[in-house]
Amino acid sequence: KQEVTQIPAALSVPEGENLVLNCSFTDSAIYNLQWFRQDPGKGLTSLLLIQSSQREQTSGRLNASLDKSSGRSTLYIAASQPGDSATYLCAVLEDSGYALNFGKGTSLLVTP
Amino acid sequence: DAGVIQSPRHEVTEMGQEVTLRCKPISGHNSLFWYRQTMMRGLELLIYFNNNVPIDDSGMPEDRFSAKMPNASFSTLKIQPSEPRDSAVYFCASRSDLGTPPSHFGDGTRLSIL
Repeated sequence: KQEVTQIPAALSVPEGENLVLNCSFTDSAIYNLQWFRQDPGKGLTSLLLIQSSQREQTSGRLNASLDKSSGRSTLYIAASQPGDSATYLCAVLEDSGYALNFGKGTSLLVTP
Repeated sequence: DAGVIQSPRHEVTEMGQEVTLRCKPISGHNSLFWYRQTMMRGLELLIYFNNNVPIDDSGMPEDRFSAKMPNASFSTLKIQPSEPRDSAVYFCASRSDLGTPPSHFGDGTRLSIL
């Protein structure tokens, strides 16, 4: 069974810092990997989707990388802002699957 | 597009009562998922529909849980009778099978069983 792990579980940084969130998965036979943001009391907003054949995707200050063979992905946030405070979830879609397997998330707090 | 719409946003009810959660997927999406989110277990898949047909309900915890998708624009998740351990946030998500698109989630229903 695919296991998705996110480290750290919580992170607090001062505004302006660059930061990296980590995601690892146990089965490398994935179709794609998706990073989501979840604000308190809200649903999940898709940030970036990386296909298994890709190495990275970028959107604004966000960059997600994928190393499928080692079962790792990172989400890099440049020049963090208080508005980036949220929980970030990593999810993988397996080659043989149809639903996403989620990590438990990293809760990020960016302080002014 | 209005996105995935779930109702109600919050539900508080007493143990033993029937609870019905509703979902309207994004128009044109032919895959629909119900997930449950708890602090202990994170997000777990309950059931997956494709073209209105239940494909995988192995995540439904007990017979007290049932889900239907009578048409492409509506799905329900029902719990009868409800128990305190069912308290969680329930999310509906939809996705198109064309290409490799991302999944879109609703804002969830926060369910509290007293």
